[in-house]
Amino acid sequence: DAKTTQPTSMDCAEGRAANLPCNHSTISGNEYVYWYRQIHSQGPQYIIHGLKNNETNEMASLIITEDRKSSTLILPHATLRDTAVYYCIVRVRNNDMRFGAGTRLTVKP
Amino acid sequence: NAGVTQTPKFQVLKTGQSMTLQCAQDMNHEYMSWYRQDPGMGLRLIHYSVGAGITDQGEVPNGYNVSRSTTEDFPLRLLSAAPSQTSVYFCASSYPDRNAEAFFGQGTRLTVV
Repeated sequence: DAKTTQPTSMDCAEGRAANLPCNHSTISGNEYVYWYRQIHSQGPQYIIHGLKNNETNEMASLIITEDRKSSTLILPHATLRDTAVYYCIVRVRNNDMRFGAGTRLTVKP
Repeated sequence: NAGVTQTPKFQVLKTGQSMTLQCAQDMNHEYMSWYRQDPGMGLRLIHYSVGAGITDQGEVPNGYNVSRSTTEDFPLRLLSAAPSQTSVYFCASSYPDRNAEAFFGQGTRLTVV
């Protein structure tokens, strides 16, 4: 599996966009990029995933660079409830995901 | 929709005791997995199953056994609990398609004294 690198922590003002970067320079052509988040000590929650194209859903947008070596998760209007640890995972199959330490996002009023 | 249900939510064991953590899903998912999460760290894969009757080891399988007799259930057994197994345990399930999201349970917080 490709290794991912994320900043340890980030802050964001409430109502502003939160942009969370992830580097995955060794990604293979058939590996998807997945994003999950974990609020407090709850079970991880799926956010979004993509292969090559940018993706958007009701929670977030995922921007993947053309060379696929990095991606950015965008929360367009962060709220206090978006404070969580965000995990970027690169994986061929969905059932076996290797989590790193993630980025701790703190949304401030 | 129950999703992925883990029981118990909390458990305290003495060193050497055995126990089974239960995981059940009602989404007819073929793939199920067990993870552990130690304080300040990400999740690490213990065991996983790609279908009934099939299991395999993940990153940290030592001290744990699993079986998958039905599609719905994937219990995790601690044979002889050790303090190093104090952790939060998460179960997950998904369809086998690599384009499918995984659903996680709410976790079992285990303390071994």
